[in-house]
Amino acid sequence: GENVEQHPSTLSVQEGDSAVIKCTYSDSASNYFPWYKQELGKRPQLIIDIRSNVGEKKDQRIAVTLNKTAKHFSLHITETQPEDSAVYFCAANGGGFKTIFGAGTRLFVKA
Amino acid sequence: AAGVIQSPRHLIKEKRETATLKCYPIPRHDTVYWYQQGPGQDPQFLISFYEKMQSDKGSIPDRFSAQQFSDYHSELNMSSLELGDSALYFCASSFGQGTGELFFGEGSRLTVL
Repeated sequence: GENVEQHPSTLSVQEGDSAVIKCTYSDSASNYFPWYKQELGKRPQLIIDIRSNVGEKKDQRIAVTLNKTAKHFSLHITETQPEDSAVYFCAANGGGFKTIFGAGTRLFVKA
Repeated sequence: AAGVIQSPRHLIKEKRETATLKCYPIPRHDTVYWYQQGPGQDPQFLISFYEKMQSDKGSIPDRFSAQQFSDYHSELNMSSLELGDSALYFCASSFGQGTGELFFGEGSRLTVL
């Protein structure tokens, strides 16, 4: 089955700096890669997603890149703000009804 | 806009008791997913239903069962509860197959004493 690895587990950046979170997946059949943000005690919420027919997608300060050959995908947050502090999960779905999450990255943005 | 509704939000049970969690998906969503999230952990996929049929299964213990009803709501039944079952249980819904955004409910926090 699908296995998603995510690094780093914790990331601390200064406000205004960029943050990069990296994930790898194991199932070459996976074709949908969402990123979720989860604040403490709250539900995960989708912030951006990418499909396997696209290499890059951007939405304001957030971008995601996908390398299908290497089975890597990454989240890039530019101009970080304190409200970006949260846990970020990458995930992968192979076309079925099972989305598998990475272990999460706890992002701290220091003001 | 209507969201995924989960109940109860909090539940306290003793070991070996039974618990039932309910999930009401977003209207017109036909797929429901259950995830278990322990403290500091990622959401672990338990089970999913599409059009009232089980569509995929993850790390759901045999002590747990779930179903999706004709109105698309779903229930997760947990029996012989163990301390390790204490977690936040999320239900999510989507329209069609899982290759799209999952909309999560607020979660049901189960504490087993």
